[in-house]
Amino acid sequence: QSVLTQPPSVSGAPGQRVTISCTGSSSNVGSGYDVHWYRLVPGTAPKLLIYGNTNRPSGVPDRFSGSKSGASVSLAISGLQAEDEAVYYCQSYDTSLGGYVLFGGGTRLTVL
Amino acid sequence: EVQVVESGGGLVQPGRSLRLSCTVSGFSFGDYAMSWFRQAPGKGLEWVGFIRREVYDGTAEYAASVKGRFTISRDDSKNIAYLQMNSLKTEDTAVYYCTRVREWKVLENYFDYWGQGTLVTVSS
Repeated sequence: QSVLTQPPSVSGAPGQRVTISCTGSSSNVGSGYDVHWYRLVPGTAPKLLIYGNTNRPSGVPDRFSGSKSGASVSLAISGLQAEDEAVYYCQSYDTSLGGYVLFGGGTRLTVL
Repeated sequence: EVQVVESGGGLVQPGRSLRLSCTVSGFSFGDYAMSWFRQAPGKGLEWVGFIRREVYDGTAEYAASVKGRFTISRDDSKNIAYLQMNSLKTEDTAVYYCTRVREWKVLENYFDYWGQGTLVTVSS
């Protein structure tokens, strides 16, 4: 089954650290395909945060970091700020159904 | 500065057609594949399709949900990518995003510059 599973929501207080998991299957992350992370804020352009599991594009603060362990990948956000409130999506390649791009269901981050 | 701007959205009746445009600046358009995504109200991101560079014949791939109805094309002389949407259904209602494709590994891509999106509403 072509699924990338993310928790529907996470929350944290300003200054804290949160992690968002993205669990795949044998047709995507479990087969070694890499994961990329994006942030969506309504009314604004989606933003690439992490590519290739752990790499930060130029301009993305080092408060954002990615990690991978087996078929599970995580995005960590440290030093939470109010502006981090958004929905975060993981994305990977999937071999089933001819799909080229697969997204997780998204995780809504609330800064308390 | 890289800019990606979608246009052409609006209200359209079921069964009709609509063409979206994606105008880019700030990079060599012909050197990159381009992709379209959408987000339906209350739903997550969904890949729609992408178009390869002309050096790879400019061929396109599509999600199963739009294959046969949507067509992606590009005009490298104008720095524009298009999404032609035919036989529209109410479930095609969404914000449509255009992005630049980064070729990460064989078969694996990510998307580094996105536009703000254009809303397509399919309703009678």
